[in-house]
Amino acid sequence: QVQLQESGPGLVKPSETLSLTCAVSGASIRNYYWTWIRQSPGKGLDWIGYIYYSGGTLSNPSLKSRVTISIDTSKNQFSLRLSSVTAADTAVYFCARDSPERRLDHWGQGVLVTVSS
Amino acid sequence: SFELTQPPSVSVSPGQTATITCSGDHLGEKDASWYQQKPRQSPVLVIYQDTRRASGIPERFSGSNSGNTATLTISGTQAMDEADYYCQAWDSSSAKFGGGTKLTVL
Repeated sequence: QVQLQESGPGLVKPSETLSLTCAVSGASIRNYYWTWIRQSPGKGLDWIGYIYYSGGTLSNPSLKSRVTISIDTSKNQFSLRLSSVTAADTAVYFCARDSPERRLDHWGQGVLVTVSS
Repeated sequence: SFELTQPPSVSVSPGQTATITCSGDHLGEKDASWYQQKPRQSPVLVIYQDTRRASGIPERFSGSNSGNTATLTISGTQAMDEADYYCQAWDSSSAKFGGGTKLTVL
C-alpha cells in the first residue's frame, strides 16, 4: 500500500532553513501532486504547497517567498525547504499525496519541527 | 481572501446524527473535502468532491455542498467517530482548510 514517511531535523534555529524529505513507497510518484501541510501545536491544518511529478510547483501565497519544494523521481521522494524560520514555524509537518481528483488520500505520520535557539 | 469557517465544536449522543458545517463564499461552486483527525494521528480523507466517500469510510458518513455551505453528516454516530474534522477546498491558487470542528460523542 502507499506509504509516505517524513524525515528531517526536529530542531531548527531561528533564521535558519528547515529541510524535510518525504519518501514515497508502494506507488509511483508519477501523475500526482505531492504536498506539504503543517499543523501548529493545538491548531488547524495549513497547506504549504505541492509539486507535481513533472516539477511544477504551487505554494501558499503567505509562505511563497520562503518555500521551495523539489522532487527526485529516481528516489521516489520530494522535499521541502522553508527559509528564515521563526518560532511561528514550529509545527508538525505532514507530507501527503494529492490525486488528480484533488483529494489528499495518503498522508505521512508527520514530523514535529521546533524552531528554537 | 477565501476563508472556510467551521463551528469549533459539535456534540452528539451515540446513535444520533451529527452535522458539521463549513461556510465560504460560493463554496457550492467548488469541490469540498472532509478530513478526520484523531489525537496524535494524521488526518484521514473522509469525503471528497462534495459527496464521495473515500475508500474504507463507513456509509454513515455523507456530504453535501450547496450555496455557501458544505455539510458533513454522520448518521448513527459512534464513539469511534469522536475526532476533529476539517473541511477543505481550493481557492484560485491555494488550498484552504477550515479551522476544524471537534466532534464530541457523549
